[in-house]
Amino acid sequence: DADVTQTPRNRITKTGKRIMLECSQTKGHDRMYWYRQDPGLGLRLIYYSFDVKDINKGEISDGYSVSRQAQAKFSLSLESAIPNQTALYFCATRRGTDTQYFGPGTRLTVL
Amino acid sequence: AQSVTQLDSQVPVFEEAPVELRCNYSSSVSVYLFWYVQYPNQGLQLLLKYLSGSTLVKGINGFEAEFNKSQTSFHLRKPSVHISDTAEYFCAVAIRNKLTFGGGTRVLVKP
Repeated sequence: DADVTQTPRNRITKTGKRIMLECSQTKGHDRMYWYRQDPGLGLRLIYYSFDVKDINKGEISDGYSVSRQAQAKFSLSLESAIPNQTALYFCATRRGTDTQYFGPGTRLTVL
Repeated sequence: AQSVTQLDSQVPVFEEAPVELRCNYSSSVSVYLFWYVQYPNQGLQLLLKYLSGSTLVKGINGFEAEFNKSQTSFHLRKPSVHISDTAEYFCAVAIRNKLTFGGGTRVLVKP
């Protein structure tokens, strides 16, 4: 079984819709991250959380919100999706200063 | 603020030839350095990392990288590539528990 799972894996939605992307991990890591990947730009950090009560904005948090429901769950929401939020979204986990481990990604298309 | 530059967006290479992927970073403080690989339709997988110690780091699948502090570089090399090395490669810098990624280098291995 995968250590970091993301649901859904693919999603097509329309402008203005609310979307939630979910991430779960079985690694027991305290730190979780959300990134988006765009061609030529690499991965950019949206939000990160060091524990259930700690939420921090990344470099591109506008238009996004997150919820850390439990140590193992970290969801990303787009309150009103827009076409330039079309991207590949990755969740990652980490314990302390160890390596980040990435989920398989969610491909989101906003029409 | 730190930044990461991957100097080549695409690198075509013939099977069994050597490959070098260049990465330069800028930071005013000490950093940890990483190379990740993304195979088609998959998430990111750690190839290798530099935290401290020897500046030559060996990773999985025959890859290695050398940290050069004076040139602020962390170039990735493999002496002989396989078709299966076709993927996108990302250099990343970690400072204060956050990763900053380069834009990625697509490696296309030709038979």
